[in-house]
Amino acid sequence: QQQVKQSPQSLIVQKGGISIINCAYENTAFDYFPWYQQFPGKGPALLIAIRPDVSEKKEGRFTISFNKSAKQFSLHIMDSQPGDSATYFCAASRKAGSARQLTFGSGTQLTVLP
Amino acid sequence: KAGVTQTPRYLIKTRGQQVTLSCSPISGHRSVSWYQQTPGQGLQFLFEYFSETQRNKGNFPGRFSGRQFSNSRSEMNVSTLELGDSALYLCASSLSPGLNTEAFFGQGTRLTVV
Repeated sequence: QQQVKQSPQSLIVQKGGISIINCAYENTAFDYFPWYQQFPGKGPALLIAIRPDVSEKKEGRFTISFNKSAKQFSLHIMDSQPGDSATYFCAASRKAGSARQLTFGSGTQLTVLP
Repeated sequence: KAGVTQTPRYLIKTRGQQVTLSCSPISGHRSVSWYQQTPGQGLQFLFEYFSETQRNKGNFPGRFSGRQFSNSRSEMNVSTLELGDSALYLCASSLSPGLNTEAFFGQGTRLTVV
């Protein structure tokens, strides 16, 4: 089963706090791990992505930490802002024939309180 | 440049009917993927098209089908609609399959089956 398990389902953080969302996978064929951010009424938008040969990637306030041996990866949002309130999806991508297939986690609804 | 355009934005259909959804990818993108998003199942991969050929298919019944035209525009069709088909259908375009290139999502078509 090509599942990606994501937790927590919902998260409430105070403005300025750190938001942490965790994901775990089983299939070692996954070789690309993007995070998507989705606002109500919009499609998901790529936030940040990492490959398994890197343990951490930082872009502004967003950091992905990747633990290949544990098959886990997480998104950290530093100095969380009310504008970060959205649903976040982790995903894992693998080659499937001549194409690639994205498998998404179940999503985390983040609310940042002002 | 224009993003991914999905039409229509909203649809209401009756059980047993069929529906066709349309997706125009970003100019220059030749790969189009379709996803179904529901509160219970999250984002699930339907299929991917490249060069008018289906390259990958998710675990959905044969009632779900698609096609891609020579201009890379894609349509998906759902026949004999069921209540459980009510969902947000998202289309994503990317440069080509087989590569870890960013997938850009449209705003989706909200399908309600009554």
